[in-house]
Amino acid sequence: GAVVSQHPSWVICKSGTSVKIECRSLDFQATTMFWYRQFPKQSLMLMATSNEGSKATYEQGVEKDKFLINHASLTLSTLTVTSAHPEDSSFYICSAILTGGRQETQYFGPGTRLLVL
Amino acid sequence: AQSVTQLDSQVPVFEEAPVELRCNYSSSVSVYLFWYVQYPNQGLQLLLKYLSGSTLVESINGFEAEFNKSQTSFHLRKPSVHISDTAEYFCAVSPSGGTSYGKLTFGQGTILTVHP
Repeated sequence: GAVVSQHPSWVICKSGTSVKIECRSLDFQATTMFWYRQFPKQSLMLMATSNEGSKATYEQGVEKDKFLINHASLTLSTLTVTSAHPEDSSFYICSAILTGGRQETQYFGPGTRLLVL
Repeated sequence: AQSVTQLDSQVPVFEEAPVELRCNYSSSVSVYLFWYVQYPNQGLQLLLKYLSGSTLVESINGFEAEFNKSQTSFHLRKPSVHISDTAEYFCAVSPSGGTSYGKLTFGQGTILTVHP
């Protein structure tokens, strides 16, 4: 099956620094990727839709200037948490849709756990 | 907008017993319905999905779910569980069309623990 990887799998950083998380589709091309966030004991919440070659679209309440998304190629999307604060500590998960495939078939990465001290 | 409620946060069960994980949803538009499973330290994997047609859908490993439109439910069942079914299960919906097509709304997750 299709494989999506994320790097790093976990990261600890100081408050005020920026953190970049990569999401790669390893064996397929993905025009569309999604970024989700999961707080402890809560559900996954969609943050934004990442479209290759165009600007990301953000869900209501998600700060686009804080969570920068770049989808520069058909196999890579990056999420940069700028000036991270402790409240940004969370589990970040990406998913990718096979280009030309059906939108309802999403392949998920294993997630990145971010802890901001 | 859509919302999904998984009624049980944890379900302990003995091996070979039947299990049902409950999921209810609300939506103002037509939706597709999904069950995902997440094993420890792994990404979400699609277990089964309902898009249209028969309201009873099955997975390759013995799970099944039935779409009940009148009760807005999509409960997941398995007649006999194995230790290897221990995982967290997520119910999700996405609009079947429009600009939000493909965007998933998840339930809170149900941790299924199968005891020997």
